[in-house]
Amino acid sequence: EAGVAQSPRYKIIEKRQSVAFWCNPISGHATLYWYQQILGQGPKLLIQFQNNGVVDDSQLPKDRFSAERLKGVDSTLKIQPAKLEDSAVYLCASSHLSGGASGELFFGEGSRLTVL
Amino acid sequence: GQSLEQPSEVTAVEGAIVQINCTYQTSGFYGLSWYQQHDGGAPTFLSYNALDGLEETGRFSSFLSRSDSYGYLLLQELQMKDSASYFCAVKGTGGKLIFGQGTELSVKP
Repeated sequence: EAGVAQSPRYKIIEKRQSVAFWCNPISGHATLYWYQQILGQGPKLLIQFQNNGVVDDSQLPKDRFSAERLKGVDSTLKIQPAKLEDSAVYLCASSHLSGGASGELFFGEGSRLTVL
Repeated sequence: GQSLEQPSEVTAVEGAIVQINCTYQTSGFYGLSWYQQHDGGAPTFLSYNALDGLEETGRFSSFLSRSDSYGYLLLQELQMKDSASYFCAVKGTGGKLIFGQGTELSVKP
């Protein structure tokens, strides 16, 4: 079975520019997550979708970050305008059930963002 | 709110046994997961405990005590390839998975 696909793998932008990341979860997985992982830290949950509805976005900086999951499959995470502190790896994960039936999420390889 | 604490670094030698502890505070708790992440790689699932006790999967075991809000990951017969970061993660209300800051394990020859 194909894993979680993310693109681009790497992106370098200047502050105040915008960027978008794309995620295609494992087929049939209803729950999709976006995490932000700053170097040396654990993944921080930004937003969780169940099908195309938002379950939790309490940690999403909504003044600059937005995410959507149209048709309950692919998802896009956008940052506009970017700040230096947004430099991180953006990880997409999916699971069949919310939180994973056994706590198991399947992660993509991530999109590494550098903001200059 | 939710918080998890785990040691930032652990060092051990090949063939040894190492234990990585995790304590948590959470408003809703359904289980504790463990993930491994190699440098530049994606986190990969290792184990999950929903109930008290020990779960064993090959060289790796995970333990949970809900009354103590405590768990640990036990790695036996350490190999060089086990050098990685290990994260505990709490499964909370709504299936939210909150990660700790990670423990960097260095395995020396």
